[in-house]
Amino acid sequence: QKEVEQNSGPLSVPEGAIASLNCTYSDRVSQSFFWYRQYSGKSPELIMSIYSNGDKEDGRFTAQLNKASQYVSLLIRDSQPSDSATYLCAVIGNNAGNMLTFGGGTRLMVKP
Amino acid sequence: DTGVSQDPRHKITKRGQNVTFRCDPISEHNRLYWYRQTLGQGPEFLTYFQNEAQLEKSRLLSDRFSAERPKGSFSTLEIQRTEQGDSAMYLCASSFWTASSPLHFGNGTRLTVT
Repeated sequence: QKEVEQNSGPLSVPEGAIASLNCTYSDRVSQSFFWYRQYSGKSPELIMSIYSNGDKEDGRFTAQLNKASQYVSLLIRDSQPSDSATYLCAVIGNNAGNMLTFGGGTRLMVKP
Repeated sequence: DTGVSQDPRHKITKRGQNVTFRCDPISEHNRLYWYRQTLGQGPEFLTYFQNEAQLEKSRLLSDRFSAERPKGSFSTLEIQRTEQGDSAMYLCASSFWTASSPLHFGNGTRLTVT
């Protein structure tokens, strides 16, 4: 079992719809969770962080965390073609160095 | 620009040659990380520094790989006797030392070994 798992996609949604991206993790003591966006050929860009159970909203993005079920999700409202990218879920597990463990990413395609 | 800077952006080398990459972190950050990413995969941790001390190395970091951060500022990653399997994007990131500080990535160095 991979430490952080994501559906590779592609996830295709029409413009204006809600895109829902999911991630599960195996390390129960993980405390910090991040979503990065990566455009093709570019480096990962941090878009959301979440540390507590529940929802965290930032503009069109909402991160959701459920530690009991060991999953974290990202909702993108009013999806735009410019949101088309790979979304990487990353977790800081039981380590002192803040090393991130990444999932394989979900490719999102927003169709006009 | 105060982001993480990596050089070169692209490197093409022949198998067996040595290559060296450089990373300049965000100046206020004292942690620096190296990751490797292959096509269709998420980034994989290689090693990290806190100031000049290299505190952890992944088992992915074979003895052909060496990283340094001599003055606690910029870092270099050297690959000796490159192999085709080393072809990947090498990403550098930096962060504050505080727990749960997010990592900020540079633009990466894409290595192609022919």
